[in-house]
Amino acid sequence: DIQMTQSPSSLSASVGDRVTITCRASQSISNYLNWFQQKPGKAPKLLIYAASSLQSGVPSRFSGSGSGTDFTLTISSLQPEDFATYYCQQSYTTPYTFGQGTKLEIK
Amino acid sequence: EVQLVESGGGLVQPGGSLRLSCAASGFTFSDHYMDWVRQAPGKGLEWVGRIRKRANSYTTEYAASVKGRFTISRDDSQNSLYLQMYSLETEDTAVYYCARGSLSGRYYYFDYWGQGTLVTVSS
Repeated sequence: DIQMTQSPSSLSASVGDRVTITCRASQSISNYLNWFQQKPGKAPKLLIYAASSLQSGVPSRFSGSGSGTDFTLTISSLQPEDFATYYCQQSYTTPYTFGQGTKLEIK
Repeated sequence: EVQLVESGGGLVQPGGSLRLSCAASGFTFSDHYMDWVRQAPGKGLEWVGRIRKRANSYTTEYAASVKGRFTISRDDSQNSLYLQMYSLETEDTAVYYCARGSLSGRYYYFDYWGQGTLVTVSS
């Protein structure tokens, strides 16, 4: 199975900050990489697919990049509603696998 | 509006069985692959399995952790997805989400999720 590793596992930041979360795959997955946001007690929400394509309705402050094994999710200017847990997920091959999550907290 | 509503969760003893349902609305259900993803309490997300659409012969795939114990099925006439779970183990305790699979070219992603249903396996 392809292992997905996110860093950091948790992150404290302030409203207005620029934040970057990284995700590394244990083998090349081209750009078959998705990002999700999850708030407590809620279902995950798709933010980015194919590494850099913004899902419809997602604010443009979210962006994704990367290819091969290394990927990043960037939030250009944190808003109060962005404090949540973020997961990467590879869709290169089944079994689809997720990173362990990055919890973004208010500083 | 796309909606996915899971039901059927609850408390079950180890070794028991349970059937989850996911009712879909707001889109052409038969056009989409559908997946199940679970999340143990306080843990991350784990893909459980997928069922393809009729054009792909309704084929299924499963995570190794559930293969042989779980069965995914669908009824396109009822816009419903199912997860039949057998030989449940305490490690299967989780919130189970159904998710709609979508394709953009070769890229597959879960673009809509249900609210989840909690399965607790405990004696």
